[in-house]
Amino acid sequence: QKEVEQNSGPLSVPEGAIASLNCTYSDRGSQSFFWYRQYSGKSPELIMSIYSNGDKEDGRFTAQLNKASQYVSLLIRDSQPSDSATYLCAVNMFMDSNYQLIWGAGTKLIIKP
Amino acid sequence: GAGVSQSPSNKVTEKGKDVELRCDPISGHTALYWYRQSLGQGLEFLIYFQGNSAPDKSGLPSDRFSAERTGGSVSTLTIQRTQQEDSAVYLCASRIGGSGNEAFFGQGTRLTVV
Repeated sequence: QKEVEQNSGPLSVPEGAIASLNCTYSDRGSQSFFWYRQYSGKSPELIMSIYSNGDKEDGRFTAQLNKASQYVSLLIRDSQPSDSATYLCAVNMFMDSNYQLIWGAGTKLIIKP
Repeated sequence: GAGVSQSPSNKVTEKGKDVELRCDPISGHTALYWYRQSLGQGLEFLIYFQGNSAPDKSGLPSDRFSAERTGGSVSTLTIQRTQQEDSAVYLCASRIGGSGNEAFFGQGTRLTVV
């Protein structure tokens, strides 16, 4: 069974602090990893993709990948109330002769002013 | 178009009727996914099209659900004899090829079965 696991939350973080979201995955051979943000009533939108071990920074967002430990995380610095949303982790896995995006259930993040 | 387009945005139907939901992917995207999302829940995979390969239908919840993709572009998801439990948001996503690329979502179709 190929799985992606996330803590469902809610994760409550004070405004201005760092929010840390984590995701673990079961397929050691996975190579591509994505973080999406989904506001209530809206579609998921891509925040970041990461393919190599280490950190990847984009503005206030940093994705971290550790393939040996099979986890990927998303850090949000200087959290803003507008960051309140559900964050979805997606992992590209090879299944049944095709690559498939496997999704975590999402972590609900609440930024408290 | 510039993004993934879904229609209609909202659909209210009576129990027992058939509905068709449409997805127009980003031009050149060979992979297309359909998902269902109930209120407060995660994405439920329904079906996956990749190029000319046979679609992965493993997520379709019953034989009332079917989907097709004509000419490798537009896809239609059909639900026959709708039930109240079919009420959800149906999301379509597309991406280039099958590996390593991001998926982009349409705005979704909110289906309400009354």
